[in-house]
Amino acid sequence: GAVVSQHPSWVICKSGTSVKIECRSLDFQATTMFWYRQFPKQSLMLMATSNEGSKATYEQGVEKDKFLINHASLTLSTLTVTSAHPEDSSFYICSASTGTPLPNYGYTFGSGTRLTVV
Amino acid sequence: RKEVEQDPGPFNVPEGATVAFNCTYSNSASQSFFWYRQDCRKEPKLLMSVYSSGNEDGRFTAQLNRASQYISLLIRDSKLSDSATYLCVVGLPWGGATNKLIFGTGTLLAVQP
Repeated sequence: GAVVSQHPSWVICKSGTSVKIECRSLDFQATTMFWYRQFPKQSLMLMATSNEGSKATYEQGVEKDKFLINHASLTLSTLTVTSAHPEDSSFYICSASTGTPLPNYGYTFGSGTRLTVV
Repeated sequence: RKEVEQDPGPFNVPEGATVAFNCTYSNSASQSFFWYRQDCRKEPKLLMSVYSSGNEDGRFTAQLNRASQYISLLIRDSKLSDSATYLCVVGLPWGGATNKLIFGTGTLLAVQP
């Protein structure tokens, strides 16, 4: 089946540094990539959506200059958390869509990245 | 108001019990509907899509009522392995054939031996 490889699975970084998270679709073309964030005991919150080769569309309240998304190819999308602070500590997860409408719009989730900023 | 609302639980049930989860969504433009399950500290996994006609997959039955914007999930004969957080998810139009998924807050199920 479709697989999205997400790396790193966990990362600890110092406050003020930047962290890059990668999602690669291994055996299919990810037309659209969705990036989510999940704080403890909360649900997944959509941060932004990007189509390959286009600028990402950010959800209300998400700072586009802080969370840089690159979707330069159909198999790779990256999320960079710039100047990370402790409040950015969260579980970040990507979801790739092939754009097919049925049965579940071809969504495949990465395994997530647990970011801890100290 | 949250776009997708669920009772957070937890639901503590004995093995073999039948348990029902409910969910409401606010956006009438929602086009697709799903139940996902999420185990602790893992990515969500698709449990089943939900259709207006209702659908069943083994011990799991899902129903959708578009008029009242209500989705349900019924789990029969609960197993210990069913313990997880169940996420109600709706898809909103987002260009072409793709929907963007909006997740509910999730309902925690704990099946007790």
